[in-house]
Amino acid sequence: QSVLTQPPSVSAAPGQKVTISCSGSSSNIGNNYVSWYQQLPGTAPKLLIYDNNKRPSGIPDRFSGSKSGTSATLGITGLQTGDEADYYCGTWDSSLSAGVFGGGTQLTVL
Amino acid sequence: QLQLQESGPGLVKPSETLSLTCTVSGGSISSSSYYWGWIRQPPGKGLEWIGSIYYSGSTYYNPSLKSRVTISVDTSKNQFSLKLSSVTAADTAVYYCARHIDYYGSGALRSDWFDPWGQGTLVTVSS
Repeated sequence: QSVLTQPPSVSAAPGQKVTISCSGSSSNIGNNYVSWYQQLPGTAPKLLIYDNNKRPSGIPDRFSGSKSGTSATLGITGLQTGDEADYYCGTWDSSLSAGVFGGGTQLTVL
Repeated sequence: QLQLQESGPGLVKPSETLSLTCTVSGGSISSSSYYWGWIRQPPGKGLEWIGSIYYSGSTYYNPSLKSRVTISVDTSKNQFSLKLSSVTAADTAVYYCARHIDYYGSGALRSDWFDPWGQGTLVTVSS
């Protein structure tokens, strides 16, 4: 069971917007920055968002991140079939003294 | 462009030691700004951080694995390595290496993220 809680799956139609939530506690999300990763089928995870809402070079602005209290959200607009993947949130847990990830959310673009 | 590549045996027997190496290319592992980490993913499951190392040899490990994990660095070869002892079937996973960025930002909030990642290597624990 993961320290961070994500919905197992979400779905939306092409062109639409979807949000993926990541819920934690004061020892992790509440007092540290959040990152998000995209894992396309059969590939390694790829960094999408760091420091809650910053995008690395090359990541389109269709991807956005936000944080409020002990929860974080990944938003994806203008959905494309190529966005079908597993998405993971991550952060540091100060109580565990460990990096932690959510269980992952599978995105289906219908 | 920084690239990482894992290498090592794909099959390890129970109770033995898993050993993997990550080779860094396109940049120096001795950069003063980064740690270098290992993350694993059991088949069909989520990600688990194993531990990270600085080029100086300073390490920190996931407490849940700390008693069995050793991470080392060889700056002359631009490589870092993972050893996991006393493995069981529960250690079967895809093992990834990645550059690990960690620092304290405003308000003493810690930032941790991994980028880029190696392609990963599947290690199966079985007799």
